[in-house]
Amino acid sequence: NAGVTQTPKFRVLKTGQSMTLLCAQDMNHEYMYWYRQDPGMGLRLIHYSVGEGTTAKGEVPDGYNVSRLKKQNFLLGLESAAPSQTSVYFCASSPWTSQGETQYFGPGTRLLVL
Amino acid sequence: GQQLNQSPQSMFIQEGEDVSMNCTSSSIFNTWLWYKQDPGEGPVLLIALYKAGELTSNGRLTAQFGITRKDSFLNISASIPSDVGIYFCAGLSASGYALNFGKGTSLLVTP
Repeated sequence: NAGVTQTPKFRVLKTGQSMTLLCAQDMNHEYMYWYRQDPGMGLRLIHYSVGEGTTAKGEVPDGYNVSRLKKQNFLLGLESAAPSQTSVYFCASSPWTSQGETQYFGPGTRLLVL
Repeated sequence: GQQLNQSPQSMFIQEGEDVSMNCTSSSIFNTWLWYKQDPGEGPVLLIALYKAGELTSNGRLTAQFGITRKDSFLNISASIPSDVGIYFCAGLSASGYALNFGKGTSLLVTP
């Protein structure tokens, strides 16, 4: 199993450009998440999905959109990139268990918006 | 999301020393998790705690779910250089699917 993979690993954008980050998991997990990590801020949830075809807003959703057309994929879109979106983006997935949830993270996508 | 206060913010210790860090919340959590993040990598799950008062070990790591359900502790015994990284606590409330993360404890271990 590859676990959680993210594409691309690095990207540089100009202000106003758009892009899509791809997250894929091969563990048949129901839940998927997108976080951003900034220095001194820890991880903050952008959007999440509790199943194929469903999405929900997290703590910092503005400026981002997501889609979960297939169970194994979760896409994060930036329609018009801004310098404030320079960050490291992490995708995670988790199974549902009766005791709670544990999340498994991808290696991250480093995005620089100029 | 609910605010988690993680302390200390950073630690600089010598190899062989024990390490303690903790996380507190103003809200109750049903699940506490501890993650480690190496430079340039995503967080990796170390320990998951599901019941108040639970004490769980993973090798040299021991974590506890506070009785009040508002705090958790992580201890690392006999630290080694590969323990270097950032340690995050995270809590899952009963009302949501998502995790709330602390801001991390940066650990540096010198030989």
